[in-house]
Amino acid sequence: DAKTTQPPSMDCAEGRAANLPCNHSTISGNEYVYWYRQIHSQGPQYIIHGLKNNETNEMASLIITEDRKSSTLILPHATLRDTAVYYCIVRGTSARQLTFGSGTQLTVLP
Amino acid sequence: DTGVSQDPRHKITKRGQNVTFRCDPISEHNRLYWYRQTLGQGPEFLTYFQNEAQLEKSRLLSDRFSAERPKGSFSTLEIQRTEQGDSAMYLCASSTNMNILHFGPGTRLTVT
Repeated sequence: DAKTTQPPSMDCAEGRAANLPCNHSTISGNEYVYWYRQIHSQGPQYIIHGLKNNETNEMASLIITEDRKSSTLILPHATLRDTAVYYCIVRGTSARQLTFGSGTQLTVLP
Repeated sequence: DTGVSQDPRHKITKRGQNVTFRCDPISEHNRLYWYRQTLGQGPEFLTYFQNEAQLEKSRLLSDRFSAERPKGSFSTLEIQRTEQGDSAMYLCASSTNMNILHFGPGTRLTVT
């Protein structure tokens, strides 16, 4: 599976959009981009995933660049409860497991 | 909606003792995963079951570790002769397909 690069930490003001970047320049054609988050002392939680097109659900939006070498997770109106570590993971369809990196610690400030 | 449950949530043991953790996946999920997470790091894959068959094991899973899923439902992870380096959060996840993993709350192990 392709390696991902994320900033170690980011801050965001409550109520503003949080934009979390992820670089996956070695991604191959059949690999999906997944985002999970982990709130302190809890298990990771699935957020969203995509292949080529932008995706949106009730939690977030995922924007994937046309060359698929990077993506951005957008939390449109961040709340204090969105403070967590956010993991960007690239996974092929034949892979049986997710490989987590160190993620981005997002802190939403009041 | 009952999610993935793990028991116990916390375990303190002395070095050299054996410990066993249990994971109950979401009932219709046939795939089950174990991960380990140390402080400040992302979760690391340990092993994967499809139904009762253990299909993949990480090299992190030393011979002191054994996992079972005897009837394709709950799973146990046993660590024999625990070492201080085994102190970590042990996470279980389940899924119906390979896309979305649902994680439990984890079992925090402290080896003294």
